[in-house]
Amino acid sequence: AQSVTQLDSQVPVFEEAPVELRCNYSSSVSVYLFWYVQYPNQGLQLLLKYLSGSTLVKGINGFEAEFNKSQTSFHLRKPSVHISDTAEYFCAVSFGDDKIIFGKGTRLHILP
Amino acid sequence: GAVVSQHPSWVICKSGTSVKIECRSLDFQATTMFWYRQFPKQSLMLMATSNEGSKATYEQGVEKDKFLINHASLTLSTLTVTSAHPEDSSFYICSAGQTLSYTFGSGTRLTVV
Repeated sequence: AQSVTQLDSQVPVFEEAPVELRCNYSSSVSVYLFWYVQYPNQGLQLLLKYLSGSTLVKGINGFEAEFNKSQTSFHLRKPSVHISDTAEYFCAVSFGDDKIIFGKGTRLHILP
Repeated sequence: GAVVSQHPSWVICKSGTSVKIECRSLDFQATTMFWYRQFPKQSLMLMATSNEGSKATYEQGVEKDKFLINHASLTLSTLTVTSAHPEDSSFYICSAGQTLSYTFGSGTRLTVV
């Protein structure tokens, strides 16, 4: 079955520390991968996406993610977080059609 | 960049009434729009795919007679929650764009009392 999993529902991180938010997917076909950020009571903003080419994708706000086909992962990283990064982060997958399936989300808590 | 406007941003209605939510693509034409529902502290659940000029495609388990979708033009899709009940209270989000390049609206918080 095709699915996307975010194992961590919450991740607390001290300000200026690095962070990794994990995302794994299950699919028998090629996938397209996305990371979105959602601030409270707002819609989703695209951080980055992997469609093809280089497996290391750089996005906005200093985030990057690496597509690992053998591990079926697309983890999101940032070397130094800021208090403004506090938000909900969603990994999403498209399995070749127009639909995008979202993971359950990871809430990033930045600790002062 | 592509902008998707969603209106209203929040609405409170009485149980049994209907509520219409609009999703507009402001600077591009969208033949396809998507409607999602998000419960508190949960992920987005795809409700339906809105197709311009034809019937919407609903996901399994979504009541099409309760959640009416109309996509009458290339820039506007509407979601009408009919005979709303408190359990319909949720955050509704639309998205539009080209394949693999979608923009999301800012969402509508619906509270049914």
